[in-house]
Amino acid sequence: DGGITQSPKYLFRKEGQNVTLSCEQNLNHDAMYWYRQDPGQGLRLIYYSQIVNDFQKGDIAEGYSVSREKKESFPLTVTSAQKNPTAFYLCASNRGGNHNEQFFGPGTRLTVL
Amino acid sequence: AQKVTQAQTEISVVEKEDVTLDCVYETRDTTYYLFWYKQPPSGELVFLIRRNSFDEQNEISGRYSWNFQKSTSSFNFTITASQVVDSAVYFCALSRDDKIIFGKGTRLHILP
Repeated sequence: DGGITQSPKYLFRKEGQNVTLSCEQNLNHDAMYWYRQDPGQGLRLIYYSQIVNDFQKGDIAEGYSVSREKKESFPLTVTSAQKNPTAFYLCASNRGGNHNEQFFGPGTRLTVL
Repeated sequence: AQKVTQAQTEISVVEKEDVTLDCVYETRDTTYYLFWYKQPPSGELVFLIRRNSFDEQNEISGRYSWNFQKSTSSFNFTITASQVVDSAVYFCALSRDDKIIFGKGTRLHILP
């Protein structure tokens, strides 16, 4: 089945540690996105990539980093510089552009202790 | 600035009632796209509909309908004869540059 996978579903880390969230898609989509969701805040864009080996900052990129070495994969690293990393992280992909609907993964809930 | 406002934070209705979720947007673009997504308790967002700014026809899909009015910058979503499975958070979204922005969502509770 085609879709987006994110692993793990739940992740716990100690404060000060970097952590990498996985996102893989087999939809042959060019564009991929990372969002952060906090209660009552909706979805906020962290980083996005329209093509392999290229990515742009979203609205809340500070404390995060990404890479896009393969079309299928867009991992997100939450660094120790991110002040409030505990959140629900959603990955999405589409064929590119702002007119195509995005398809979402199941999300990763990160808790920093 | 481009913006999406979903003024209703949380709504509760009894099963079989109709319910309308409001979405008001602001944009400087003449061509833009609007979306609705559903987020059930599992967490994964599900795409419901896309509408472009040149198409003001209302859309109906089963128990779901959407009312797009450019004059009031609104794109409201109505669920007819609601069911418990409709309980979820619903997001309205608007295209901005090469990406989209989301409203804060409306949490809908359908009570049996």
